[in-house]
Order: sequence, then C-alpha cells, then structure tokens
Amino acid sequence: DAMVIQNPRYQVTQFGKPVTLSCSQTLNHNVMYWYQQKSSQAPKLLFHYYDKDFNNEADTPDNFQSRRPNTSFCFLDIRSPGLGDAAMYLCATSRRGSTNNEQFFGPGTRLTVL
Amino acid sequence: AQSVTQLDSHVSVSEGTPVLLRCNYSSSYSPSLFWYVQHPNKGLQLLLKYTSAATLVKGINGFEAEFKKSETSFHLTKPSAHMSDAAEYFCVVSDRSGGGADGLTFGKGTHLIIQP
Repeated sequence: DAMVIQNPRYQVTQFGKPVTLSCSQTLNHNVMYWYQQKSSQAPKLLFHYYDKDFNNEADTPDNFQSRRPNTSFCFLDIRSPGLGDAAMYLCATSRRGSTNNEQFFGPGTRLTVL
Repeated sequence: AQSVTQLDSHVSVSEGTPVLLRCNYSSSYSPSLFWYVQHPNKGLQLLLKYTSAATLVKGINGFEAEFKKSETSFHLTKPSAHMSDAAEYFCVVSDRSGGGADGLTFGKGTHLIIQP
C-alpha cells in the first residue's frame, strides 16, 4: 500500500543535542509538510516543500530546518532542541494540482527532550 | 484568509447513541473541508472530505458530514457511537485558491468520549 512512513516513532534527545526526524513516502506526491503538534493542541505547520522549493512558515523558529534530497524523503532537523520542542512531529504529503489539497499523514514521531 | 471553529472541546456520549461534532468555517474562496481523527499517539486519519460535489458526504466507520454553505457549517455525525470512536477529531479547511500547496487550517479539536 502507498503510504507515509516516519522514523523513528519515538525519539529521545538531550537538551541542546541535534536531532533528525525522517519521513518517506511511496505516494509520489510533490508536496511534503512538517507539522508540530503539542499535547492537546492542533497540528501547527512548520514548513513544506513543493518539489525542491522550500516554504517556511513565518513563525517557525530558526532552530528548525528541513531537507528534501529527493521526492521520496524529507528530514526535519532540530539544531538545538529545547524543552519546549517536545512534541509529536507529523509528516504529510499531497499532490499539488489536486482539487482539494487532501493531505496524507504519517503516524508521527514523538520527541522527548531531557 | 480561512479559519475553523470547533464549537466543543469535549463531547461525551453513551455507546449506541448518536454523535454530533460541530464545526464552523470561514473561507474567502470555495473551500475544501475535511474531518480527521487521531487516536492516542497515532497520526491523523482522514474520515471524510467535501470538495464541492455532494453536500452530504459519507466517510469511513459510519461517519458522515453535511456541508451547509448558508450556515458555514460542516458538522460531523454518526448514528450510533462505538467505543472505538473515542479519539480526537479535527475539522480542517483548505483554501483551494492557492492551488493546493499550502498547509491546512485546523480547528482546535474535539475530544470524543464514549461512555459504556
């Protein structure tokens, strides 16, 4: 089945230690998104890639970066995680040009910062 | 600009009784509307979507929603709740004017509790 895969499902890091979260997709979608979801809150868009074009949300901290080396993979890098960055991180994909912008979500990576 | 208001942060119903989760939206353009469900520590699963076709939309697991433009509403219903329906539900709007590459606008979520 075509799907969105996130690894790892659970990640523990130390305060200030860089961490990378991974997302891959078999849907061949041209847009990939990263959302941050804190406890009991709605997902918040951090940034997205349309093919190789990177689009950062205005209020996304510089501490968060992303890479998309090819269509299938997209990475979220947190350069110096703080305690406030503990959250669920959701990757999603969509096909630009579709009529409704339906997004397909991965299972998420729960990040703990010690 | 677009926005979504989920009118109830928590809804509690008894198993076997109807479910109603309320959602109002605003959008400058013809919107697409979605309901997603999220079980604890899981990703988001699409329940159903409205994309300017039929105003009554049927989704998975017996859920349906009706798009009412005059009321700017997209309420989610299910005739008979099941214990497995206990989860967080998000109403989501997408403004299609941008061609579909932008992020979705989420409501704050409704936590559905099913009483045995």
